[in-house]
Amino acid sequence: NAGVMQNPRHLVRRRGQEARLRCSPMKGHSHVYWYRQLPEEGLKFMVYLQKENIIDESGMPKERFSAEFPKEGPSILRIQQVVRGDSAAYFCASSLRDTSNYGYTFGSGTRLTVV
Amino acid sequence: DAKTTQPTSMDCAEGRAANLPCNHSTISGNEYVYWYRQIHSQGPQYIIHGLKNNETNEMASLIITEDRKSSTLILPHATLRDTAVYYCIAEGGSNYKLTFGKGTLLTVNP
Repeated sequence: NAGVMQNPRHLVRRRGQEARLRCSPMKGHSHVYWYRQLPEEGLKFMVYLQKENIIDESGMPKERFSAEFPKEGPSILRIQQVVRGDSAAYFCASSLRDTSNYGYTFGSGTRLTVV
Repeated sequence: DAKTTQPTSMDCAEGRAANLPCNHSTISGNEYVYWYRQIHSQGPQYIIHGLKNNETNEMASLIITEDRKSSTLILPHATLRDTAVYYCIAEGGSNYKLTFGKGTLLTVNP
């Protein structure tokens, strides 16, 4: 039973390029969450999605960032026109329900470096 | 969300019990205490959670004081692989946003 799969593990982009981060939740999980961890800081909530719906994107920057979780396929976090400040580790988590009572399962993250 | 306070770092000898404290003096009645850990370069790993009763699983034990203002995570026999940052989080059971602080860096020494 594979856990939460994120790819790529490492991504290098030049300033102005687009970054696409993928997350496949655990089998049977329909709730996906994205968190960002800047260097030397704790994880910060970005967005919560269910299949085909964005439930809460209050932690997403207003510009350049978007997320989707289509009916088929992985969840995608997309960052357009990346800047150096976007360099961070991006973690995806999934759960069975929309509560945290059961603990989230996190992926290993995508480390984005903007050069 | 209740604010939690944890020591910045702790050391523990391999094979001994590691006791990680957490203060959450403003926790409300419906907020759970969760513990996660993050081993270097990996995603956070869920360890345990509780509301007011002590809890135990295969990884750890969670001791919550009667007034719920503090708790202790116990790793009964720490190994080198338990070296990680441990996060104590107080959140409502229906709140899906986990608020991660700086956590405690536990270093298990041989």
